[in-house]
Amino acid sequence: AQSVTQPDIHITVSEGASLELRCNYSYGATPYLFWYVQSPGQGLQLLLKYFSGDTLVQGIKGFEAEFKRSQSSFNLRKPSVHWSDAAEYFCAVGTSGTYKYIFGTGTRLKVLA
Amino acid sequence: DGGITQSPKYLFRKEGQNVTLSCEQNLNHDAMYWYRQDPGQGLRLIYYSQIVNDFQKGDIAEGYSVSREKKESFPLTVTSAQKNPTAFYLCASSTRDYGKETQYFGPGTRLLVL
Repeated sequence: AQSVTQPDIHITVSEGASLELRCNYSYGATPYLFWYVQSPGQGLQLLLKYFSGDTLVQGIKGFEAEFKRSQSSFNLRKPSVHWSDAAEYFCAVGTSGTYKYIFGTGTRLKVLA
Repeated sequence: DGGITQSPKYLFRKEGQNVTLSCEQNLNHDAMYWYRQDPGQGLRLIYYSQIVNDFQKGDIAEGYSVSREKKESFPLTVTSAQKNPTAFYLCASSTRDYGKETQYFGPGTRLLVL
């Protein structure tokens, strides 16, 4: 069965430090992968997506993610975190032909000043 | 500006009452979705609709109902059969690119039980 795992429930980093949020998926075919961000009490905002091609994907707000098929991973990175990046981050995989997404349980990011 | 609107932002339900959450989009998207979000559980799909007058159950459809009479609108009714309705409800929409669709989300409705 398809699944998405975000191993880290909470992550705390200092402002200006680099960030990597982990996402592992289980899916038989080529996955379509997404990262969303959610501020408290708000909806989800799309950060970036991967369908095919270049495995390093650039997104909004200075985020990037790298698709590694051999590791079934799609980790999100940012070289220098800002206090405004504090939020919850969700990884999702799209299941071709069904219009359904499978979401991870999220990683809550705290940024220390 | 194109986008997805959800109303109300907060909704209170009494025991035995049905309540309806509104979702409207002006993105000209064919597909629309309803998700339920509980702390620590990510998002779970309730219902989705690929075209007008058609919809399918998601993973947790029991106690919920939907309609899709217009392309722009996909209201969700939480019925009295849903015994634990307290949650954050998110509506989304997407094009129908058959596997390459990207879902965009509304701001959400928080449902609380009195």
